[in-house]
Amino acid sequence: AQSVTQLDSQVPVFEEAPVELRCNYSSSVSVYLFWYVQYPNQGLQLLLKYLSGSTLVKGINGFEAEFNKSQTSFHLRKPSVHISDTAEYFCAVTPSGGYNKLIFGAGTRLAVHP
Amino acid sequence: ETGVTQSPTHLIKTRGQQVTLRCSSQSGHNTVSWYQQALGQGPQFIFQYYREEENGRGNFPPRFSGLQFPNYSSELNVNALELDDSALYLCASSLDQAFMNTEAFFGQGTRLTVV
Repeated sequence: AQSVTQLDSQVPVFEEAPVELRCNYSSSVSVYLFWYVQYPNQGLQLLLKYLSGSTLVKGINGFEAEFNKSQTSFHLRKPSVHISDTAEYFCAVTPSGGYNKLIFGAGTRLAVHP
Repeated sequence: ETGVTQSPTHLIKTRGQQVTLRCSSQSGHNTVSWYQQALGQGPQFIFQYYREEENGRGNFPPRFSGLQFPNYSSELNVNALELDDSALYLCASSLDQAFMNTEAFFGQGTRLTVV
């Protein structure tokens, strides 16, 4: 069965600093990978997704992620964060045999400080 | 603004009661998925409805059931509520069953507290 591990439950960072949120997945089959953001009292919003092709994926709000098949990782990065990036970030996979559901990690709380 | 609305936003129920949560999808979206997000955890897949039929189910007991209507609205029903059912319930609407083919738009969720 597929699973997703987000290695950090909380990541504090200062404004304008770079950030990396780590995600590893376990799967013996091909998967599709996603990053979602959840702002307080809101639903989930898609940041980016990897389906195939280039391993570097660019998303909204200046975020990007790199798919590494050998390390089964899909880490999210942003070169310079803003206060408004403070939110919960979720990594998710859709297994190729279970295309109709998302399996989420436990989330990483990004706290951006002035 | 995702165009997906859920009601109510908050709800308190007593153990053993039944609850109905509602979701209004984006117009034209024939697929709705429901997720349970317990405090401090990621969302867990409950089930998906496609063209008014259940199209996949996660590891949830039969007391979790759903309905999808032709007017792009849907319901999640939970019978015999347990304390562990306390969570944020999210619905997501999409144009396609497969998440790699389309984007799922999530509502803001219904916070259910069982006491």
